[in-house]
Amino acid sequence: DVKVTQSSRYLVKRTGEKVFLECVQDMDHENMFWYRQDPGLGLRLIYFSYDVKMKEKGDIPEGYSVSREKKERFSLILESASTNQTSMYLCASSPTGAPGDEQYFGPGTRLTVT
Amino acid sequence: DAKTTQPPSMDCAEGRAANLPCNHSTISGNEYVYWYRQIHSQGPQYIIHGLKNNETNEMASLIITEDRKSSTLILPHATLRDTAVYYCIVRAHLPNFGNEKLTFGTGTRLTIIP
Repeated sequence: DVKVTQSSRYLVKRTGEKVFLECVQDMDHENMFWYRQDPGLGLRLIYFSYDVKMKEKGDIPEGYSVSREKKERFSLILESASTNQTSMYLCASSPTGAPGDEQYFGPGTRLTVT
Repeated sequence: DAKTTQPPSMDCAEGRAANLPCNHSTISGNEYVYWYRQIHSQGPQYIIHGLKNNETNEMASLIITEDRKSSTLILPHATLRDTAVYYCIVRAHLPNFGNEKLTFGTGTRLTIIP
């Protein structure tokens, strides 16, 4: 089974802190994604990566950065956390962008910024 | 990607077929219809996808109208474990990189009633 793991299920941070959310997939997938999920807004794409050291902005990249130094690991970085970044963060991976390639999601990290 | 419209919530009796509608009237010729679901406290899970023909797998059936402006996801014998939010997504598959992202709306909250 494909497994996507995220470093924490729950995280509480203070405003202004630098926050790292880690995601690891074990199926040698090319693509990895970071989404955030908020009530009434559905899932929104923050960043994605289609190869090591490659990254592309999604729909809401402001306030975030990412790092992909190894194929299996994709990190989301909040340089200076703010309360409006309190959210559920979901990581996903997929083999390629071909039709039928599904995205496999991790369990999510619920981040609270106080 | 084309926008989708789904009812916010639906109920279905256990053991009956659950039929979840989705409108995608602006879908273009190269866009596929995907369905995902999200069970409480988990990441989204792929269910099925199709282009213009009806599709069936071990989880569900997907019926796409001839004009492709709408589709219906059918869970043939709903169980309590099918209670989840169901997302209908349309997505283009283009030859170039950048086509991998999924745009999730707010979905349909399906509740299976014992």
